[in-house]
Amino acid sequence: EVQLVESGGGLVQPGGSLRLSCAASGFTFSSYSMNWVRQAPGKGLEWVSYISTSTSTIYYADSVKGRFTISRDNAKNSLYLQMNSLRAEDTALYYCARVGMARSVDHWGQGTLVTVSS
Amino acid sequence: EIVLTQSPGTLSLSPGERATLSCRASQSVSSSYLAWYQQKPGQAPRLLIYAASSRATGIPDRFSGSGSGTDFTLTISRLEPEDFAVYYCQQYGNSPWAFGQGTKVEIK
Repeated sequence: EVQLVESGGGLVQPGGSLRLSCAASGFTFSSYSMNWVRQAPGKGLEWVSYISTSTSTIYYADSVKGRFTISRDNAKNSLYLQMNSLRAEDTALYYCARVGMARSVDHWGQGTLVTVSS
Repeated sequence: EIVLTQSPGTLSLSPGERATLSCRASQSVSSSYLAWYQQKPGQAPRLLIYAASSRATGIPDRFSGSGSGTDFTLTISRLEPEDFAVYYCQQYGNSPWAFGQGTKVEIK
């Protein structure tokens, strides 16, 4: 069974930093591209960042470009999101998500909540 | 940047009725890269449809997707009680990923 378990969320002050982690199991992690997707409280889904299997291709949403860094460790079956210069508008539930057929997201974690507030 | 606009914002229907949800793109989208998701309160989204019309594993055949170019549709042929939820479309292209704002299907 595919499992994606996020961790690292919490309360942080504006301008602060957090590092999110996602532990993957139940599939060959190194064979799949991965996304981070977030959802602000009561709002819709927003794609954040993408990383290919070998890390050769990385994309960011304009809203996080220059502040967030995605990475992965295939030996540890783990995905990461380093978030710097956090803003109130970054407050959201952050999902780790596996990229499947036709660039859809075929598996999602349960999310980790990031709250940016003073 | 491609913007996906879903309509209606809310759809009020009764169990057994047919639901038709629309997703319109601001520019042409490859139908190979259009997906639909269902999200229930407190849960992560679930993939329903990929490549515009292919059902994901385990998705009942009352869910179907269609469309091309800038207009895509998710149809639920007969609503079951567990189908009342929020639905999102998503495209992959030059953005590269984008989601629509969602359509809530609620019980009338």
